[in-house]
Amino acid sequence: ETGVTQTPRHLVMGMTNKKSLKCEQHLGHNAMYWYKQSAKKPLELMFVYSLEERVENNSVPSRFSPECPNSSHLFLHLHTLQPEDSALYLCASSPQGGSPLHFGNGTRLTVT
Amino acid sequence: QQQVKQSPQSLIVQKGGISIINCAYENTAFDYFPWYQQFPGKGPALLIAIRPDVSEKKEGRFTISFNKSAKQFSLHIMDSQPGDSATYFCAASMQKANSGYALNFGKGTSLLVTP
Repeated sequence: ETGVTQTPRHLVMGMTNKKSLKCEQHLGHNAMYWYKQSAKKPLELMFVYSLEERVENNSVPSRFSPECPNSSHLFLHLHTLQPEDSALYLCASSPQGGSPLHFGNGTRLTVT
Repeated sequence: QQQVKQSPQSLIVQKGGISIINCAYENTAFDYFPWYQQFPGKGPALLIAIRPDVSEKKEGRFTISFNKSAKQFSLHIMDSQPGDSATYFCAASMQKANSGYALNFGKGTSLLVTP
């Protein structure tokens, strides 16, 4: 186990569905992140939360909506996605303002 | 704009050989340079990292070489083993106040070590 748990591991959803990805960290970290990993592209930072406050939003479309109810949990709410949103979504955590990032094993999302 | 450029995209090395992966960056404010290793079905895991105040860091068979003036850094894997076959990502970051430590990643190098 990595200390960062993501569920579900795989998700298939239609373009009109609403679903949520969940991330939980057991490392006592104060910063949490969502990254998108697509083939042949660098990992793309989507959102950063520090002490439960969103501190970075990298021009992500509004069909992705993050939520951080406490320092241990992070959600990514999905609605009206596009097929190009199919990717591996990785959650990570770190000490506030520190390193290293600890990643979960990701959710493989397929939008049909 | 891609802030970290990584090469090669893929690499095949014989067991016992040296694997070398290179990265270049533009932003001189970057002050933290980690390498991550990712196996299929797993998330990336930190392998080794360096800060710009040193030119080399070694941990076991893994070495980072850092050239601040050239804005380049590289990963060397000595005595490469089949178990090293994975995708390797370089990254760079600068610490921002109150914002965690968001990394800028290269595109990754798929390493295959043949028996």
